[in-house]
Amino acid sequence: GEDVEQSLFLSVREGDSSVINCTYTDSSSTYLYWYKQEPGAGLQLLTYIFSNMDMKQDQRLTVLLNKKDKHLSLRIADTQTGDSAIYFCAESVNDYKLSFGAGTTVTVRA
Amino acid sequence: DSGVTQTPKHLITATGQRVTLRCSPRSGDLSVYWYQQSLDQGLQFLIQYYNGEERAKGNILERFSAQQFPDLHSELNLSSLELGDSALYFCASSATPGVSYNEQFFGPGTRLTVL
Repeated sequence: GEDVEQSLFLSVREGDSSVINCTYTDSSSTYLYWYKQEPGAGLQLLTYIFSNMDMKQDQRLTVLLNKKDKHLSLRIADTQTGDSAIYFCAESVNDYKLSFGAGTTVTVRA
Repeated sequence: DSGVTQTPKHLITATGQRVTLRCSPRSGDLSVYWYQQSLDQGLQFLIQYYNGEERAKGNILERFSAQQFPDLHSELNLSSLELGDSALYFCASSATPGVSYNEQFFGPGTRLTVL
């Protein structure tokens, strides 16, 4: 079955890099996603990676996937105050649902 | 703005009552998903509809039901409400399930408070 785990909190100084980690259990996951949820808002897709890729870079975002260890990470370079939010890791195995982690609350301090 | 709309934004009701949450998917999206976000359970998939038909069920209680109408909007009905049903309910839509990459666009959510 699917089970996605991630650390709950991360505090980072403005301008530093943030790294959010996630582990998943279903080895048949095809796509893995990172969603961002700002206070009072819905979830916004930040980026995704296909399971046969090791890395994907998109501007300040870098996603690393270690399929052997079932480990996914999201690196945000030059973290800004606007990056303060909850970040969810999610996997899709079938086409009908996403399984989400509990979310990592990122706090950016000046 | 994701293009997915949900109404109402907030809903306060009492235990034992019944409520209906409404979702309009992005233009052209055939698939609608409902999720529940609560403090203790996190973000849980409830149910999916595709072009009017139920496609998949997740952790949805028997007291809850949903449907998707011919104009593709969807409603989630919650009945015999309990305190533990208080949560944020999200609707998401996607274009065409059945392909591996399934980007789901989320609405802003309906916050349900059961007193």
